[in-house]
Amino acid sequence: AQSVTQLDSHVSVSEGTPVLLRCNYSSSYSPSLFWYVQHPNKGLQLLLKYTSAATLVKGINGFEAEFKKSETSFHLTKPSAHMSDAAEYFCVVSENTGFQKLVFGTGTRLLVSP
Amino acid sequence: KAGVTQTPRYLIKTRGQQVTLSCSPISGHRSVSWYQQTPGQGLQFLFEYFSETQRNKGNFPGRFSGRQFSNSRSEMNVSTLELGDSALYLCASSLLGALQETQYFGPGTRLLVL
Repeated sequence: AQSVTQLDSHVSVSEGTPVLLRCNYSSSYSPSLFWYVQHPNKGLQLLLKYTSAATLVKGINGFEAEFKKSETSFHLTKPSAHMSDAAEYFCVVSENTGFQKLVFGTGTRLLVSP
Repeated sequence: KAGVTQTPRYLIKTRGQQVTLSCSPISGHRSVSWYQQTPGQGLQFLFEYFSETQRNKGNFPGRFSGRQFSNSRSEMNVSTLELGDSALYLCASSLLGALQETQYFGPGTRLLVL
């Protein structure tokens, strides 16, 4: 079965500094990987997705992620954090059951200080 | 295009009661998935519907059920509510529910069981 592991439950950065949220995946085939963000009391918003077209994926709000098969990683980065980036981030893999079934990581809470 | 809508947004029930939650997908989307989010278990897949048929089901007891109507709107029902059913229930829609498609999430229904 496919799974994702988010290596940090909390990440704290200062505004204007880089963001790195780490995710490792486990999959027996070429996976579809996603990063979603959830702001307090809100639903989930897609940041970006990897579907084997390109290993470096650019998303919304300046986020990007690089798929590294050799390291089974899909880390999320942003060059400069903004206060509005403070939220919970989920790394997600689509399980290969024939039809879409998302398997979520445990989430990383990003804290941004002024 | 309007996003995914869920009603009601908040619900308070007592143990033993049953509850029905509703989800209207993005216009044109035919696949609807449901997820449960709790602090302890995180985000877990409940089931997925396409063309009024359940194609995929997660590891939840039979008290959790759902259905989809011909207009793709979906409902989920939880019977004999337990305290542990308190959660945020999220609905997501996509065009066909294919592996690489993006799922678009609604704001969720927050259920509190007393």
